[in-house]
Amino acid sequence: EDKVVQSPLSLVVHEGDTVTLNCSYEVTNFRSLLWYKQEKKAPTFLFMLTSSGIEKKSGRLSSILDKKELFSILNITATQTGDSAIYLCAAHEISGGSNYKLTFGKGTLLTVNP
Amino acid sequence: DGGITQSPKYLFRKEGQNVTLSCEQNLNHDAMYWYRQDPGQGLRLIYYSQIVNDFQKGDIAEGYSVSREKKESFPLTVTSAQKNPTAFYLCASSATGMSPLHFGNGTRLTVT
Repeated sequence: EDKVVQSPLSLVVHEGDTVTLNCSYEVTNFRSLLWYKQEKKAPTFLFMLTSSGIEKKSGRLSSILDKKELFSILNITATQTGDSAIYLCAAHEISGGSNYKLTFGKGTLLTVNP
Repeated sequence: DGGITQSPKYLFRKEGQNVTLSCEQNLNHDAMYWYRQDPGQGLRLIYYSQIVNDFQKGDIAEGYSVSREKKESFPLTVTSAQKNPTAFYLCASSATGMSPLHFGNGTRLTVT
């Protein structure tokens, strides 16, 4: 059973639209929630969230974590064609005593049309 | 420039052959990871290592092996026991186990 579930799996919007990507998680010994953007090859880091209710922002992107309901959202306002990518959510957990592992969801494929 | 180097970018092998994918980092990071990415599957963890000479199995370790003899290197061997080896393989590193991961550009392996 998947520990990190993202929705929707794909999304097509027009430039200028605002989008909300969802990520729910269910891992033991949770430590943080991370978002990545993958355009072609290497995923690039966007946000790391450790505390509930504190929004992190970077330009038109923002994200927030709800540790009670076990989910996070990534918002993108005024979308541009350059935002087209796979957005990956991942949960950091402690595994086997002192080892940290990062478990990813399947990703959301966002396509922004001009 | 600091970063993670994966080589080669593309690799072709015949079924039944073992193949080793290279991953080197010069970021002085303690932790290193191998993920596999298939279409529609996201990233799945194969192996990870928090320190030299120690590593742990991830969620899909069967048919793979790794070594961590040096801090900067974490090679992955895809053995003939791996039933569906054709995939995109990503290596990553992080300063500590709790830090964000930095990824290499990946190796696309095709086995026929």
